[in-house]
Amino acid sequence: EDKVVQSPLSLVVHEGDTVTLNCSYEVTNFRSLLWYKQEKKAPTFLFMLTSSGIEKKSGRLSSILDKKELFSILNITATQTGDSAVYLCAVNDYKLSFGAGTTVTVRA
Amino acid sequence: GAVVSQHPSRVICKSGTSVKIECRSLDFQATTMFWYRQFPKQSLMLMATSNEGSKATYEQGVEKDKFLINHASLTLSTLTVTSAHPEDSSFYICSATQGSNEKLFFGSGTQLSVL
Repeated sequence: EDKVVQSPLSLVVHEGDTVTLNCSYEVTNFRSLLWYKQEKKAPTFLFMLTSSGIEKKSGRLSSILDKKELFSILNITATQTGDSAVYLCAVNDYKLSFGAGTTVTVRA
Repeated sequence: GAVVSQHPSRVICKSGTSVKIECRSLDFQATTMFWYRQFPKQSLMLMATSNEGSKATYEQGVEKDKFLINHASLTLSTLTVTSAHPEDSSFYICSATQGSNEKLFFGSGTQLSVL
């Protein structure tokens, strides 16, 4: 059975801190790994990763994939209160399997 | 980015009634739409995959007769929860892909409460 495991499940930081979120996976036919940010209700797309070792960046967020060790990390630097959300990792192996998410709380 | 519209955003209904949720891709043709269910503080669970013009593919444990999915056009998919019961109360969310692009764009979700 395909598995996507995120850690930690939750964390609380102060503004300006850096956070690192982890996502490990076991799937049969890996196609891509995706990160989403879920605030209130609908998830919004952050990154799609298909190749190992290539860092994707968007502002203060960055992510990288290791297909040998089967994991990905999402980094958020200089956190702001607006970064508070649930961050979801999903793996596409012809269907999308989601991890349980990491709840990030950024305190002012 | 692409826009997916989901309606209604919230519905409260009596036990035994049916509820229809619509998912529309507003500015692209979605060959495939997905329906998910999310319980509080849990991850998104895929319910079914819907391809335009063909029968939906349901995940194991999802009742086909309970959750009717119709994908009649490239821009619209509907999920009907038939004879809803309190245990069906949940957050339902759809998503759609633009052709072969693997990015999923999500609707805003529907919070269903069955009394």
